[in-house]
Amino acid sequence: QVQLKETGPGLVQPTQTLSITCTVSGFSLTSYYMQWVRQTPGKGLEWMGFIRSGGSTEYNSEFKSRLSISRDTSKNQVFLKMNSLKTEDTGVYYCARDRKGVMDAWGQGASVTVSS
Amino acid sequence: DIVMTQGALPNPVPSGESASITCQSSKSLLHSNGKTYLNWYLQRPGQSPQLLIYWMSTRASGVSDRFSGSGSGTDFTLKISSVEAEDVGVYYCQQFLEYPLTFGSGTKLEIK
Repeated sequence: QVQLKETGPGLVQPTQTLSITCTVSGFSLTSYYMQWVRQTPGKGLEWMGFIRSGGSTEYNSEFKSRLSISRDTSKNQVFLKMNSLKTEDTGVYYCARDRKGVMDAWGQGASVTVSS
Repeated sequence: DIVMTQGALPNPVPSGESASITCQSSKSLLHSNGKTYLNWYLQRPGQSPQLLIYWMSTRASGVSDRFSGSGSGTDFTLKISSVEAEDVGVYYCQQFLEYPLTFGSGTKLEIK
């Protein structure tokens, strides 16, 4: 059974760094790309970036300078880190399994509020 | 970036009636390989998006045959025949012809 679950801090202060972990089960990270998508009140669903099955990454230029995606295949985990947070980054962050642009399984999402 | 524009529904839709959701892309999503790089997702209240349709017209595993996708290179329709209470939510189209992947702003379906 394919499962994905995001865990994050909930509340982050402006200018600080956001760290979210996506833990997966039922499939191997070495066989699928993993995407990160966020949903904000201001912009709706936004693609952030992905990590390939081989471990290389691609990012949306909107976030490129402050976003990092990595993984630990031994723990079946994918990580998102984004620095210099602003209030506009408030939203829900999702990891999703990818089959060449088709996101066929999503996590429940990690709600993040950026506020002092 | 490819812009995805979605139409609105005349909510609420009576239960048992059909509903058609439209989506338009700013660039043709028809690839030279003959496939159209368009997905549809449903986000039920309080849930994450779930895949309904990919390659414009292929239903995802477990999706009811009441859902069907069609279209051309830039104009797409998701049709729901005989809407039911469980179909309530927001429907999103998404292109995957090129990065950055982009989504429509969503179309809300309410049932009467």
